[in-house]
Amino acid sequence: QKEVEQDPGPLSVPEGAIVSLNCTYSNSAFQYFMWYRQYSRKGPELLMYTYSSGNKEDGRFTAQVDKSSKYISLFIRDSQPSDSATYLCAMLTGGGNKLTFGTGTQLKVEL
Amino acid sequence: GAVVSQHPSRVICKSGTSVKIECRSLDFQATTMFWYRQFPKQSLMLMATSNEGSKATYEQGVEKDKFLINHASLTLSTLTVTSAHPEDSSFYICSARDSTGPYGYTFGSGTRLTVV
Repeated sequence: QKEVEQDPGPLSVPEGAIVSLNCTYSNSAFQYFMWYRQYSRKGPELLMYTYSSGNKEDGRFTAQVDKSSKYISLFIRDSQPSDSATYLCAMLTGGGNKLTFGTGTQLKVEL
Repeated sequence: GAVVSQHPSRVICKSGTSVKIECRSLDFQATTMFWYRQFPKQSLMLMATSNEGSKATYEQGVEKDKFLINHASLTLSTLTVTSAHPEDSSFYICSARDSTGPYGYTFGSGTRLTVV
């Protein structure tokens, strides 16, 4: 079993839709949770990061963490074609140095 | 914000030759850099952790003699793929940690290596 599970998609939605991206994990030592966006043939860029359980909002993006269920989510409101990319969740243990990534979900927002 | 520059962005080489990929932190000092490999539609797989002035730490299954990593300064790490073969064709990405905090990982733009 992988430490971090993420549905690879592809996920196709119409412009303006609310997108929900999710990851589950098995390692209870993960304390820091991140979402990266990766455009084709580019390196990942940090989108959101959270530490504790609960919600964190930044513009159209909301990151949600439920440590009791070992489940994290990223919501994108009013999705735009420019949001079309692969979204990777990443996690880090408390004293760790290495990020553990999910497979990434490929998202396409269509006009 | 922190910027990591990775070169070249694309390289095609003949089988049996060596290729060097550079990763530079432009506006910060990175004591630790990471090298990843990514296959199409797959996640980033950590190959090695590079610490300035010391030997790199390789992940299980990664051939250290094939993937040579040098972190000679606080702003530069290099990955050399030696005696490249077609199966080494992949997307290689470096990352540098720009702070001691948990979120300070900045990624390069990646290098598409094709071995023919």
